[in-house]
Amino acid sequence: EAGVTQFPSHSVIEKGQTVTLRCDPISGHDNLYWYRRVMGKEIKFLLHFVKESKQDESGMPNNRFLAERTGGTYSTLKVQPAELEDSGVYFCASSRTTDRDYEQYFGPGTRLTVT
Amino acid sequence: DQQVKQNSPSLSVQEGRISILNCDYTNSMFDYFLWYKKYPAEGPTFLISISSIKDKNEDGRFTVFLNKSAKHLSLHIVPSQPGDSAVYFCAARSTGGSARQLTFGSGTQLTVLP
Repeated sequence: EAGVTQFPSHSVIEKGQTVTLRCDPISGHDNLYWYRRVMGKEIKFLLHFVKESKQDESGMPNNRFLAERTGGTYSTLKVQPAELEDSGVYFCASSRTTDRDYEQYFGPGTRLTVT
Repeated sequence: DQQVKQNSPSLSVQEGRISILNCDYTNSMFDYFLWYKKYPAEGPTFLISISSIKDKNEDGRFTVFLNKSAKHLSLHIVPSQPGDSAVYFCAARSTGGSARQLTFGSGTQLTVLP
């Protein structure tokens, strides 16, 4: 079974530019989550999809961040325009919707650097 | 306000000995607790979980203990191996509403010395 994959692994952009991160969850996992780790601190929740629906986006920092999951498969997270404080590692995770849905499996992350 | 706290940023243990990683929480609505291991430049890897209705769960060298009255959990690794050297995160999931996100602690860097 393939794990969660994320693309790109690393992105360096200038302040004001746009970046789109992609996440492919484990096949069959309807739950998809985005998290962010800034400056080596704790990993913080951004939002949660169940299939193509946003279940919880309480962690999204502001309206410069837009997440989509059209078709309920892969997801994208767009930052537009990027600011310096958006730098960090963005993780995607997925889980089943049945038993043990609390076990979330993480991708390798995308390291975003805004200069 | 951090709801999940790992007060020890680092821990060093001799190979073959026991590693004990600790975690405290404040939210009584957490229903599951999980431990993740993270190597540099990789994502967190799920290790072991425990339901809030249990006090112990064991999987191979890894055992998680939960003390609900003290709002404290710990991860025991026996015996510790050099490959266990990584950052360990404690995480918790709330039962409240539709929220299914994990709340993480800040991590503990474990170094197992050969």
